[in-house]
Amino acid sequence: EPEVTQTPSHQVTQMGQEVILHCVPISNHLYFYWYRQILGQKVEFLVSFYNNEISEKSEIFDDQFSVERPDGSNFTLKIRSTKLEDSAMYFCASSEALPGDSNQPQHFGDGTRLSIL
Amino acid sequence: AQKVTQAQTEISVVEKEDVTLDCVYETRDTTYYLFWYKQPPSGELVFLIRRNSFDEQNEISGRYSWNFQKSTSSFNFTITASQVVDSAVYFCALSDNYGQNFVFGPGTRLSVLP
Repeated sequence: EPEVTQTPSHQVTQMGQEVILHCVPISNHLYFYWYRQILGQKVEFLVSFYNNEISEKSEIFDDQFSVERPDGSNFTLKIRSTKLEDSAMYFCASSEALPGDSNQPQHFGDGTRLSIL
Repeated sequence: AQKVTQAQTEISVVEKEDVTLDCVYETRDTTYYLFWYKQPPSGELVFLIRRNSFDEQNEISGRYSWNFQKSTSSFNFTITASQVVDSAVYFCALSDNYGQNFVFGPGTRLSVLP
């Protein structure tokens, strides 16, 4: 079964550095998402992306964050000037269509654990 | 604003017991979707079910069943004859009709003891 793949599984970065998290969504999917889960807390929506542009973003997704689909297969989340509080598990997800259009839910990757030192 | 409440922070049961995880949601939308996800200790999110707001039929899938009651804005999840492998954090989630504004509840940590 096709999967959403996220790399690396664990990223350790010094505070203030930039980090890029990588995701390869399922190939025929059109909608892409990033979520964040701070340790022990709930999963929080960051951003959704469709047709090469952001379709929705949360309050968390400020100017420090950006997303890109550079080559038609990867979907990246860039965090500039990282802070200690950016330490979290970051999940990428993709879906074939919107929930109203099909029976396909969002498929999640296994996550990237980001540790800011 | 959309909100999902899972009042049970942690539940412990002994294997083979039935357990119900509660989920209460708030939304002003007339069309919305409800979800349950499982997060085992390994950390990944595993999709369990999606339910459209117009479909109030209860669903059963093996040992899992879901009770959607629009009148009480609840979407509860029951595991029958629980097993140790069911130990995980379970998240209820809500999205609008367009799959946007995806909101997760705080999760319920289920521990099934042998």
